[in-house]
Amino acid sequence: NAGVTQTPKFRILKIGQSMTLQCTQDMNHNYMYWYRQDPGMGLKLIYYSVGAGITDKGEVPNGYNVSRSTTEDFPLRLELAAPSQTSVYFCASSYSLQINTEAFFGQGTRLTVV
Amino acid sequence: DQQVKQNSPSLRVQEGRISILNCDYTNSMFDYFLWYKKYPAEGPTFLISISSIKDKNEDGRFTVFLNKSAKHLSLHIVPSQPGDSAVYFCASGGSNYKLTFGKGTLLTVNP
Repeated sequence: NAGVTQTPKFRILKIGQSMTLQCTQDMNHNYMYWYRQDPGMGLKLIYYSVGAGITDKGEVPNGYNVSRSTTEDFPLRLELAAPSQTSVYFCASSYSLQINTEAFFGQGTRLTVV
Repeated sequence: DQQVKQNSPSLRVQEGRISILNCDYTNSMFDYFLWYKKYPAEGPTFLISISSIKDKNEDGRFTVFLNKSAKHLSLHIVPSQPGDSAVYFCASGGSNYKLTFGKGTLLTVNP
């Protein structure tokens, strides 16, 4: 099993550019999440989804959009990149929304906005 | 406003000795506490968890202790191995989906 796969692994964007971070999972998990990790900080939840067609905001959603058209895929869209969005982005999935449920993470996308 | 604090950015121990990683939280509504481990260039992986109704949970070399009155939890690794060298994140949450993560502690186990 591949688990959670994120692409690309690295990206440099110019201010104002747009991009989509891809995330796909093959575990048939209903619940998927996007986190960002700034240097020296913990992970912060950007958006989450409880199933195809259903998404909701997390702690730091501004500047991002998501969609969930299938169970497997949960892309994260940056419309107008800003230096404050320089971070490492992690996608995760779980079989339950319960707080004690193990979440499986992708390898991360390191994004630099210049 | 940090609700989950890992005050030690780094910890260095000798192989075979005990590693103790600490975590403090401020939100008394937190029900579950989890530890994740992260190697460089990889995503975090789940290590161990504990619910607020327990004060200890053990899984092999890893034990998590919870002191609710002090709002403190700790992760003990015995014996420590070089392969345990990683960043350890403490995470806590209540009855919803939202996990709050600490900043992490970099553990280095010297051979």
